[in-house]
Amino acid sequence: AQTVTQSQPEMSVQEAETVTLSCTYDTSENNYYLFWYKQPPSRQMILVIRQEAYKQQNATENRFSVNFQKAAKSFSLKISDSQLGDTAMYFCAFMNRDDKIIFGKGTRLHILP
Amino acid sequence: EAGVTQFPSHSVIEKGQTVTLRCDPISGHDNLYWYRRVMGKEIKFLLHFVKESKQDESGMPNNRFLAERTGGTYSTLKVQPAELEDSGVYFCASSQDFGASRRGVTQYFGPGTRLLVL
Repeated sequence: AQTVTQSQPEMSVQEAETVTLSCTYDTSENNYYLFWYKQPPSRQMILVIRQEAYKQQNATENRFSVNFQKAAKSFSLKISDSQLGDTAMYFCAFMNRDDKIIFGKGTRLHILP
Repeated sequence: EAGVTQFPSHSVIEKGQTVTLRCDPISGHDNLYWYRRVMGKEIKFLLHFVKESKQDESGMPNNRFLAERTGGTYSTLKVQPAELEDSGVYFCASSQDFGASRRGVTQYFGPGTRLLVL
């Protein structure tokens, strides 16, 4: 079975600090896609970053970057220079060959002023 | 460009009643997905439409759930009769369709409908 595990239910960091959210997944597929979605309080879930499994280079989007370790099936998200607006629930997700998304349980991140 | 919209944002009903959730995808998106997050658990796939056809409904929990997408535009998800365990957040997502030649197309999510069955 394909699963996504986020081992940190909740985290808090001070504004401007760097924070890393962990994610591991399990699949027997070789070609797949990984995502981090963010859901701010009472707002829409939005895509933060995506990674294609066949690409070795880690994806980056401004202050957001990933550490993709395919052999270890690990896909962590690093947020640099964290801002108050980064406070949200973060979901790690895996897209299988049928384009279904499998989500982790989420990590609730609080950025403290 | 408008994003995925869902209506209502919240619904509180009694066990045994019927509820219909609506999703309007991004204009031009042929793919439409329904997902559900039950309290404390992961967001789980329910079904996938390509235009008006059900491509995959393997995640639908039982026959109390009926999804439709007449005309290939908006979609409805009806729960009849609702049970306590149906409470949760129902998300809709949409994506463009590039056919089998391209996979991994980003899905854009709506804000969700929070359903509470009492």
